[in-house]
Amino acid sequence: GAVVSQHPSRVICKSGTSVKIECRSLDFQATTMFWYRQFPKQSLMLMATSNEGSKATYEQGVEKDKFLINHASLTLSTLTVTSAHPEDSSFYICSAGFGHNEQFFGPGTRLTVL
Amino acid sequence: DQQVKQNSPSLSVQEGRISILNCDYTNSMFDYFLWYKKYPAEGPTFLISISSIKDKNEDGRFTVFLNKSAKHLSLHIVPSQPGDSAVYFCAAHRSGSARQLTFGSGTQLTVLP
Repeated sequence: GAVVSQHPSRVICKSGTSVKIECRSLDFQATTMFWYRQFPKQSLMLMATSNEGSKATYEQGVEKDKFLINHASLTLSTLTVTSAHPEDSSFYICSAGFGHNEQFFGPGTRLTVL
Repeated sequence: DQQVKQNSPSLSVQEGRISILNCDYTNSMFDYFLWYKKYPAEGPTFLISISSIKDKNEDGRFTVFLNKSAKHLSLHIVPSQPGDSAVYFCAAHRSGSARQLTFGSGTQLTVLP
């Protein structure tokens, strides 16, 4: 299957700092990438849809100024958590659209905000 | 409002037996369904999918059944192996939604040796 990477795999930061997470499709081009958030023992919640060359589409309740998404190329999307706070601590997962219906997921990034 | 539901948070099965994971949905606009397997601190891994125009899709030990009238799908794993122990997520895609997926809450499968 297609490979999607995420970097970093885990990050610990102080409250108030910003953190950037990268999502790359390694062996295919993805015009659409998705960002999810997962709380412990819960499902994956879609945060936003990232489209190459255009603004991201955010789900209801997700602050676009808080979670900045950039999809500068067909193989890279970035999520920046700005002025992170402890409640932003979570597992963030990206996925890249492949073909008509499939999505391939990255390995996730564990963010801990102290 | 949970549009995709997995009502069993956990399931234990003996090695070699069949595992059946269930998923129900409420949105009749969903036209494509997927099953993912997930280990802790990792991203989901795609397992198998089915289009709403089919009622069965098989891939090796994995078979997905879709009952559109009941808005129900199930994943059968046979024979189950200890390496299958993981959380299984059912996901659905709505036509015209640019491949956005709605996930169920997951079922922890434990295959006992």
